[in-house]
Amino acid sequence: DAGVIQSPRHEVTEMGQEVTLRCKPISGHDYLFWYRQTMMRGLELLIYFNNNVPIDDSGMPEDRFSAKMPNASFSTLKIQPSEPRDSAVYFCASSLLAAYNSPLHFGNGTRLTVT
Amino acid sequence: EDQVTQSPEALRLQEGESSSLNCSYTVSGLRGLFWYRQDPGKGPEFLFTLYSAGEEKEKERLKATLTKKESFLHITAPKPEDSATYLCAVVRNTGGFKTIFGAGTRLFVKA
Repeated sequence: DAGVIQSPRHEVTEMGQEVTLRCKPISGHDYLFWYRQTMMRGLELLIYFNNNVPIDDSGMPEDRFSAKMPNASFSTLKIQPSEPRDSAVYFCASSLLAAYNSPLHFGNGTRLTVT
Repeated sequence: EDQVTQSPEALRLQEGESSSLNCSYTVSGLRGLFWYRQDPGKGPEFLFTLYSAGEEKEKERLKATLTKKESFLHITAPKPEDSATYLCAVVRNTGGFKTIFGAGTRLFVKA
């Protein structure tokens, strides 16, 4: 299996622009997670899906952030408009079962820089 | 408030010098504790899951242990390739299940 695939690996954009991050989870995994990693705050859960349905979005910072999962093999995280404080590494992860029952499989992340 | 605290923040070892990393937690409704390894420019990679106090898991030079308040990751005779950031994560039942990560311990092993 190719693992969790994220694109792009790097994104540099100007403040105010729309940014879309993409994720393809491992086939057969029912759970998909979006995390953000910064030096100051570490890894933070933004949102997670179960069978394509958003379950907990309490970690989404504000309305500028939105996530979708139109099918079992694709998810997007969109930031509109982007701000410099959104600069971070964004990880997508998937798991076979509920979080306590199986480990998270992470992609290699998208490094976002907003200038 | 749920907290996961890892110590030390950074650890420098000579090759062969054994040591331990600590993960202490205050979480209600703990369902499991995970250890991950993260290399620069990559996502975290799963190492171990522990579910109950007294449980131990081993893999090569690594051994993870769990008590009611903390977990240790013991590294025996480390090699330079063990250099990485080690992350501890706890899963709690919030009605759904939420994984909370610690800030990690950066391990440097010098040959």
